[in-house]
Amino acid sequence: GENVEQHPSTLSVQEGDSAVIKCTYSDSASNYFPWYKQELGKGPQLIIDIRSNVGEKKDQRIAVTLNKTAKHFSLHITETQPEDSAVYFCAASKGNAGNMLTFGGGTRLMVKP
Amino acid sequence: DTGVSQDPRHKITKRGQNVTFRCDPISEHNRLYWYRQTLGQGPEFLTYFQNEAQLEKSRLLSDRFSAERPKGSFSTLEIQRTEQGDSAMYLCASSSVGSLSNQPQHFGDGTRLSIL
Repeated sequence: GENVEQHPSTLSVQEGDSAVIKCTYSDSASNYFPWYKQELGKGPQLIIDIRSNVGEKKDQRIAVTLNKTAKHFSLHITETQPEDSAVYFCAASKGNAGNMLTFGGGTRLMVKP
Repeated sequence: DTGVSQDPRHKITKRGQNVTFRCDPISEHNRLYWYRQTLGQGPEFLTYFQNEAQLEKSRLLSDRFSAERPKGSFSTLEIQRTEQGDSAMYLCASSSVGSLSNQPQHFGDGTRLSIL
């Protein structure tokens, strides 16, 4: 089955700096890659997703890049703010968004004011 | 759009007891998913429904676990004869899947189960 590895497990940045989180996946049939943000006591919240027919997608301060050949994708957050502090999860799925998601292990992002 | 709702938010029970959780998906979402998340880990897929049909079950879903979505709206997840290892957050998600597009999965805030 699919295996998703996520790095780093923890990331500390200064407010205003950029943060990058990287994931690799094993199944070349995966074609949908969402990113979720999870705050303490809450469920995962979708922040951005990308499908395998595009290489990059941006939404304000957040961007995701996908390299299908290398089977890795990354989340980029620019101009980080203290409210960006949370655990971020990448995931992968076959059959676009409708099928089961396989999650990475998570990255705890801490943005220091 | 009121979001995915899960009840209860917390459940504490003794080992060996049965527990049942409920999930109400976003209105008109035809797919409903259950995941389990242990501390410090990413969610792990358990099962999902399209309308009332259970389409896929993970090997994680032992015979002590059963899920239903009888009318294609809310779903229940029951765990029989609970064990210490069942302690986790149980997350429900829903999405709209059709012939033209598949929408992302949106998660509820989960039910945290603690086994004494």
